[in-house]
Amino acid sequence: DAKTTQPNSMESNEEEPVHLPCNHSTISGTDYIHWYRQLPSQGPEYVIHGLTSNVNNRMASLAIAEDRKSSTLILHRATLRDAAVYYCILRDVDNYGQNFVFGPGTRLSVLP
Amino acid sequence: NAGVTQTPKFRVLKTGQSMTLLCAQDMNHEYMYWYRQDPGMGLRLIHYSVGEGTTAKGEVPDGYNVSRLKKQNFLLGLESAAPSQTSVYFCASSIQTGNYEQYFGPGTRLTVT
Repeated sequence: DAKTTQPNSMESNEEEPVHLPCNHSTISGTDYIHWYRQLPSQGPEYVIHGLTSNVNNRMASLAIAEDRKSSTLILHRATLRDAAVYYCILRDVDNYGQNFVFGPGTRLSVLP
Repeated sequence: NAGVTQTPKFRVLKTGQSMTLLCAQDMNHEYMYWYRQDPGMGLRLIHYSVGEGTTAKGEVPDGYNVSRLKKQNFLLGLESAAPSQTSVYFCASSIQTGNYEQYFGPGTRLTVT
């Protein structure tokens, strides 16, 4: 399985944008890039996913490098509620036996 | 629409005792999963199911058994609990595998003494 590398932790000020990086240099052509986050004492929740083009939804934006070897999750205005662990996961859509592999993720702290 | 629910929320077991964790989903999802999460770690897949009556092993299946007798329920069993199984257990479901998002339950915190 292709692996991802994320910083262990990041800090942001409230109401400022946050850019969470993820490196995936061994990504294959059929790997989708998924982001989940886990708020304290809760199960993970879906944030966004994409393949090649940048993606936007109500929660965040996903910027994917042209060579797809890295991506960035963008929270446009961080709130205290965005403090969580963020996981970047690759998912091979053609591999029906594969499941999500969660690494340690990036712990985001939001300062008031 | 409750989504994914897990029972119980907390449990303390003595070494050697057995128990069953129940996961239920009301979204008519085909796929269901059991993960464990140890302190400071990401989630690791224990077992999963691709439909009623089918199960498969994940990354860390030893010491656990599962059953999917009904589409909406996925049970995780510990036959003889060990302290190494102290963890938070999460259940998840998805429409299919591939590119579909997984919906997670709130978790069960299990302590084995």
